[in-house]
Amino acid sequence: DAKTTQPTSMDCAEGRAANLPCNHSTISGNEYVYWYRQIHSQGPQYIIHGLKNNETNEMASLIITEDRKSSTLILPHATLRDTAVYYCIVRGYSGAGSYQLTFGKGTKLSVIP
Amino acid sequence: EPEVTQTPSHQVTQMGQEVILRCVPISNHLYFYWYRQILGQKVEFLVSFYNNEISEKSEIFDDQFSVERPDGSNFTLKIRSTKLEDSAMYFCASSEPGRSGNTIYFGEGSWLTVV
Repeated sequence: DAKTTQPTSMDCAEGRAANLPCNHSTISGNEYVYWYRQIHSQGPQYIIHGLKNNETNEMASLIITEDRKSSTLILPHATLRDTAVYYCIVRGYSGAGSYQLTFGKGTKLSVIP
Repeated sequence: EPEVTQTPSHQVTQMGQEVILRCVPISNHLYFYWYRQILGQKVEFLVSFYNNEISEKSEIFDDQFSVERPDGSNFTLKIRSTKLEDSAMYFCASSEPGRSGNTIYFGEGSWLTVV
């Protein structure tokens, strides 16, 4: 089962920041937080991941609380093309490299004009 | 940007027939995966593959499923005798090991319809 809890759905006005929360209270010290999104049954698209520090890339920012029990994905200026299901996934990394991803139901983000 | 490619994008097959779904992972990746998504349901892990053998598989991946890396570039999923409940989108994915976490990248999927 997925180790995360996300709201079922959220709305965001176009051009505004979208803040998607995720709870992962049972996360272990060597487990990463990954975010993917899926646009209308296309393949899951990688967005960002982090261990304990905040991360930023060209798509989004990831804010992880100090206790690592929750995180927030931030899309700084949401566009209509960001409408998708967003998945927050806790994933262990052992160095062996084959740890698979367990998807939950995610958050359906609707960006509204 | 390198990407995982899958063929066919859509296949319709009769129940009981064998199906092979093909994937070309990202060229320098060493780990390969298959996931599936039944319409309206979650994305589910099927199998992971490394060094020419299965490294992990789920309960879904029973004896009717098999995977193979027949050459240096392709990775295939074979369903030996398809059932109606095998109708789903099948996603291939690949990753490489790395100190910052080996991100898994997905293809666009192969939609399988069993009739």
